[in-house]
Amino acid sequence: DAKTTQPTSMDCAEGRAANLPCNHSTISGNEYVYWYRQIHSQGPQYIIHGLKNNETNEMASLIITEDRKSSTLILPHATLRDTAVYYCIVRALRGGSQGNLIFGKGTKLSVKP
Amino acid sequence: DSGVTQTPKHLITATGQRVTLRCSPRSGDLSVYWYQQSLDQGLQFLIQYYNGEERAKGNILERFSAQQFPDLHSELNLSSLELGDSALYFCASSPTWASYNEQFFGPGTRLTVL
Repeated sequence: DAKTTQPTSMDCAEGRAANLPCNHSTISGNEYVYWYRQIHSQGPQYIIHGLKNNETNEMASLIITEDRKSSTLILPHATLRDTAVYYCIVRALRGGSQGNLIFGKGTKLSVKP
Repeated sequence: DSGVTQTPKHLITATGQRVTLRCSPRSGDLSVYWYQQSLDQGLQFLIQYYNGEERAKGNILERFSAQQFPDLHSELNLSSLELGDSALYFCASSPTWASYNEQFFGPGTRLTVL
């Protein structure tokens, strides 16, 4: 699975959009971009994933650049409960590949009132 | 609530001891994963079981072992405990063994070795 690079930390004002970047310049054609988050010492939580088209669900939007070398997770109206570590993970969805997740250090997002 | 349960929530024990952590996956999920999160190592994959069989192994020490039972719950056994084994241990489940499945994590077991 390709390596990802994320900023160590970011701040966001409550009610504003939080834009979390992720670089994955070595991503290959069959690899997806996944986002999970971990709210203080709780189990990680799946947010969203995508291949090349932008994706949106009830939690967030995922914007992937045309060359697929980077992506941005957008939380449209951040709340204090969105304060967490956000992990960007690149995974191949091959049937024979291992299912485990490889977590990096992630981005610690602090939402401030 | 992810639907994955883990017991106990907290465990305090002494060096050299043995403990067992338990995980019940979401209803219908056949695959169980164990992860360890320590302050210096971050979240590390330990081992995966699928329908009772070991599927993949990560950075799991020989002192650690796991199994998945016919009712699909899983247990992680940690023996000859050392101070460095103090960590959060998470269990996750997914419908199958495949990498495209979203994983659902339990609340974790916090192990403290004194």
